Amino acid sequence: DTGVSQDPRHKITKRGQNVTFRCDPISEHNRLYWYRQTLGQGPEFLTYFQNEAQLEKSRLLSDRFSAERPKGSFSTLEIQRTEQGDSAMYLCASSLVVGSEYPTDTQYFGPGTRLTVL
Amino acid sequence: AQSVSQHNHHVILSEAASLELGCNYSYGGTVNLFWYVQYPGQHLQLLLKYFSGDPLVKGIKGFEAEFIKSKFSFNLRKPSVQWSDTAEYFCAVRNQAGTALIFGKGTTLSVSS
Repeated sequence: DTGVSQDPRHKITKRGQNVTFRCDPISEHNRLYWYRQTLGQGPEFLTYFQNEAQLEKSRLLSDRFSAERPKGSFSTLEIQRTEQGDSAMYLCASSLVVGSEYPTDTQYFGPGTRLTVL
Repeated sequence: AQSVSQHNHHVILSEAASLELGCNYSYGGTVNLFWYVQYPGQHLQLLLKYFSGDPLVKGIKGFEAEFIKSKFSFNLRKPSVQWSDTAEYFCAVRNQAGTALIFGKGTTLSVSS
């Protein structure tokens, strides 16, 4: 399977613990996005990377959230001191952007990591 | 702020019925529009997209959508639904910065055989 993969698929944790999720994008894609989806809502954008550079992070929900893409390949999303309100599906997407004008890339989504905070 | 509205929260149809799901977006400039589908237990998949050109776009599985700029709409249609079309459907628009997608809340489609 050459699609976007995410690990783990499910994570149950206790309030106050730290969690880290991994995303492996489609191999030739240079952009990687993180979204969060709660019940009854569409995905909500959190942050994105172009290669290893994090170009937008103002939508991260709080300073407890951080993301990295150290070598421009896989990415991790960490949530520190989890709260019950962090329970959601965390989605990763990737795309290939060519050129510097308004992009016309298509984002391909992974299966998501479902986080439950007890 | 940009937003996407999907008018129907839950649609119930019988097989062979025609489908139209509404989607309106708020931004009036250059738009990239998408419909994604999420089948039960599966991840989001692209159904179709509009970037420019012919406002009637065709996607996979017999779906099509029409971009009407004057109405800020991008409605999804299928002439005859099947039981296998049971899924959640999301309309999305790319944000003004050209980076993130802004999604609607989704429409759950239930098709009975």
